[in-house]
Amino acid sequence: KQEVTQIPAALSVPEGENLVLNCSFTDSAIYNLQWFRQDPGKGLTSLLLIQSSQREQTSGRLNASLDKSSGRSTLYIAASQPGDSATYLCAVMGYFGSGTKLNVKP
Amino acid sequence: ETGVTQTPRHLVMGMTNKKSLKCEQHLGHNAMYWYKQSAKKPLELMFVYSLEERVENNSVPSRFSPECPNSSHLFLHLHTLQPEDSALYLCASSQDRVGGRGTEAFFGQGTRLTVV
Repeated sequence: KQEVTQIPAALSVPEGENLVLNCSFTDSAIYNLQWFRQDPGKGLTSLLLIQSSQREQTSGRLNASLDKSSGRSTLYIAASQPGDSATYLCAVMGYFGSGTKLNVKP
Repeated sequence: ETGVTQTPRHLVMGMTNKKSLKCEQHLGHNAMYWYKQSAKKPLELMFVYSLEERVENNSVPSRFSPECPNSSHLFLHLHTLQPEDSALYLCASSQDRVGGRGTEAFFGQGTRLTVV
């Protein structure tokens, strides 16, 4: 069974900062990795899907990288905004980490 | 709107009640999933259906009973639940079972279940 770990568990930054969220997984035999955003009490919104053959994927201010051999992925958020405040979840083969709760202060 | 709809959005039930959660997807996907999200715990994958056949059951108690009558609908039947079963139950779908090439999972908004 895949074990997924996310660091840090929580992060509070001032608006405008660039930040990095980390995800690690135990079994590198994956096809893809997906990053989600979850607002309180809501469902999950897909942010980025990286195929195992890709090293990174970009959407707007978000950039996700994947190093399959080392079992790691990072989500880079550029020029953070208060609207980015949410919990960010990493999923591998349907298994999720505990998430990083992000608070961007105005 | 992700194309995955869950009803009801909120449910309060007693421990002796029987209720069902419903999930519907309009994306033409072949795989559907039930997840449980409790406070301060990671999402727990409960059940996976692929082409209407259950392909994964992650040690879920028998008081949770899934049903997938067709590729667009998924139910979770609940009976004699415990207070610790109170959680957000999330349904997801993907073109193929998660892990297949090109597979991206889409989630519904969840059902907030409270067992009293």
